[in-house]
Amino acid sequence: DTGVSQDPRHKITKRGQNVTFRCDPISEHNRLYWYRQTLGQGPEFLTYFQNEAQLEKSRLLSDRFSAERPKGSFSTLEIQRTEQGDSAMYLCASRARDRDGYTFGSGTRLTVV
Amino acid sequence: EDQVTQSPEALRLQEGESSSLNCSYTVSGLRGLFWYRQDPGKGPEFLFTLYSAGEEKEKERLKATLTKKESFLHITAPKPEDSATYLCALYYSSASKIIFGSGTRLSIRP
Repeated sequence: DTGVSQDPRHKITKRGQNVTFRCDPISEHNRLYWYRQTLGQGPEFLTYFQNEAQLEKSRLLSDRFSAERPKGSFSTLEIQRTEQGDSAMYLCASRARDRDGYTFGSGTRLTVV
Repeated sequence: EDQVTQSPEALRLQEGESSSLNCSYTVSGLRGLFWYRQDPGKGPEFLFTLYSAGEEKEKERLKATLTKKESFLHITAPKPEDSATYLCALYYSSASKIIFGSGTRLSIRP
C-alpha cells in the first residue's frame, strides 16, 4: 500500500469550467475526508464519507460542489462553474478508526484563472 | 470562535537553537490531539497523537506534550531540514472530523 493518492497534482482551469478530482485512500480505511487549504491557513473540512455514505458536509460546500464515493473505495470531488475563490489546495485524507490521525494525500492544487 | 490556536504564527531559529511551539484549545471532551508537519506544496505528514493530559511522545528532535488546555511541540537542536509548517489538530467528542489550527511556520537558519 502506497498511502493516499490524489490526481491530478495540479489543475489550472478557466473561470466557469467544471473540474473533478480523484482520491484513492488506503485500502483498509473506511473513513475518507476532503479538506481545502488556502495559503497560510490550516486545512478546512469539506465533507466526510464512511464507506459509501456521505455523513457530513460543511457549510463551505456550496451547491457547486459535489462529492461521491461509489462502492466505498475511491472518491471524487467535483466543482461546477469554478470561481476564482475556489483556488486552493484540495486535500484528501483517510483513517481506519475515529481516534486515529489522518493519513493525507499530496493534494490537488487548483488555480482558477 | 477559534477552537484551536497556534502560536507563534512564524518562528525563525538558528540551527541548534531549541524552542517550543504552542497549541491551545477550548473544546471540551478532547479525544485526541494530533501534530502534523507540512512542507510547501505537499499534504500534511502525521507526527504524533496525544490522548490524555500528561502524555508525551518523542521522535528524533521533536517532543510533544499535552495538558488540559494546551499542547507543546518542543524542538531540540533543530536542523535546517526541520523547516516546515507544523499543524496542530483536534478530535473531540461532538465532532466527526478533525479540526486544524492555522499552523506555525518554522524556519531554521544554518
